[in-house]
Amino acid sequence: KAGVTQTPRYLIKTRGQQVTLSCSPISGHRSVSWYQQTPGQGLQFLFEYFSETQRNKGNFPGRFSGRQFSNSRSEMNVSTLELGDSALYLCASSFDRGNIQYFGAGTRLSVL
Amino acid sequence: GENVEQHPSTLSVQEGDSAVIKCTYSDSASNYFPWYKQELGKRPQLIIDIRSNVGEKKDQRIAVTLNKTAKHFSLHITETQPEDSAVYFCAASIPNFGNEKLTFGTGTRLTIIP
Repeated sequence: KAGVTQTPRYLIKTRGQQVTLSCSPISGHRSVSWYQQTPGQGLQFLFEYFSETQRNKGNFPGRFSGRQFSNSRSEMNVSTLELGDSALYLCASSFDRGNIQYFGAGTRLSVL
Repeated sequence: GENVEQHPSTLSVQEGDSAVIKCTYSDSASNYFPWYKQELGKRPQLIIDIRSNVGEKKDQRIAVTLNKTAKHFSLHITETQPEDSAVYFCAASIPNFGNEKLTFGTGTRLTIIP
């Protein structure tokens, strides 16, 4: 089985721009979670989608949004980028209620 | 919400010695505790997990223990090897109508000294 695929791997944006990141889960997985990873902050939960519905949401501002498509692929959008949004964004997929999450390689976003 | 604290943030051990990383959680309803290993430049990978109905679980050189009363769990690596050098994250999950959400600790950078 192919693993979790995230595209693009690297992105450079400037403040005020918006960005869309993509995540394709493992075949058969219906849950996709997104995390922000920064040095010293570990993995911070953004949100989780299941069957095209957001089931859980972390404590991030409304500039961070996401969606999931009928094929379970998910996208994350960040609008009005700030310097502090520079981070590695990871997505993870799992079976419904499976708990075991498998991570993608991440998208490293740099905001200049 | 759940809060997970992880200690130490950095740990250096001689090759062959044991390493122990500890985590505490705040919500007694948490029932699933995975550990992830992230090597430099790579994705986090699950190395072991434990559920609240079990007190200890082993997999070769790796073991996890859980103390529900004290709300803490630990990762034990024995006979450490250079390839064990990585950042390790603990996490806790609270069941929420089946929509379990993982809360991660801030990570421990483990360095194995040859």
